[in-house]
Amino acid sequence: GESVGLHLPTLSVQEGDNSIINCAYSNSASDYFIWYKQESGKGPQFIIDIRSNMDKRQGQRVTVLLNKTVKHLSLQIAATQPGDSAVYFCAENKRAAGNKLTFGGGTRVLVKP
Amino acid sequence: EAQVTQNPRYLITVTGKKLTVTCSQNMNHEYMSWYRQDPGLGLRQIYYSMNVEVTDKGDVPEGYKVSRKEKRNFPLILESPSPNQTSLYFCASSQDRKQETQYFGPGTRLLVL
Repeated sequence: GESVGLHLPTLSVQEGDNSIINCAYSNSASDYFIWYKQESGKGPQFIIDIRSNMDKRQGQRVTVLLNKTVKHLSLQIAATQPGDSAVYFCAENKRAAGNKLTFGGGTRVLVKP
Repeated sequence: EAQVTQNPRYLITVTGKKLTVTCSQNMNHEYMSWYRQDPGLGLRQIYYSMNVEVTDKGDVPEGYKVSRKEKRNFPLILESPSPNQTSLYFCASSQDRKQETQYFGPGTRLLVL
């Protein structure tokens, strides 16, 4: 079936290092992908998105990479800070299915001082 | 300030006692939706609404009702709550049906005894 999932449920990273969060998707018809950050006690917050006609997009300290060949999405956070500690979700949008967002299970990032 | 608000933030109730969780957005968004978040399952869509008086089922609609009488409000109704509806609920809105950038509320934690 269609799925969006994450390889690592928990990622510990040293402050100042780069973080990489991975996500696999199974539906090649997905044409839009989003990364959300969820801090404790709060709702998910949009970080960055990428369309299927791109393979890389950069934001402030974040980069999303899309590899359609292997159906893989990643979020890279540069110089990880304590404020980056949160759960990160990837989501895919299948416009053919009526713009339905499907979320992955989430990866927790813990930043060690 | 642009935001999505939910009330209540926390609720403890008993099986069978009808309850309503309100959701309101001040961004004049057309699209609104409800999600539940459970450990290991990520965010799953319950219901969504593409505009006033237009609602449709998401992935897990059983046991829930919604209404969209006004553009800004999208209440979630549990006519007869059961313990398996104990969860963290999020309301979200986006400009239009493309829902490419959804803004999430702060969440409502519900415990059904």
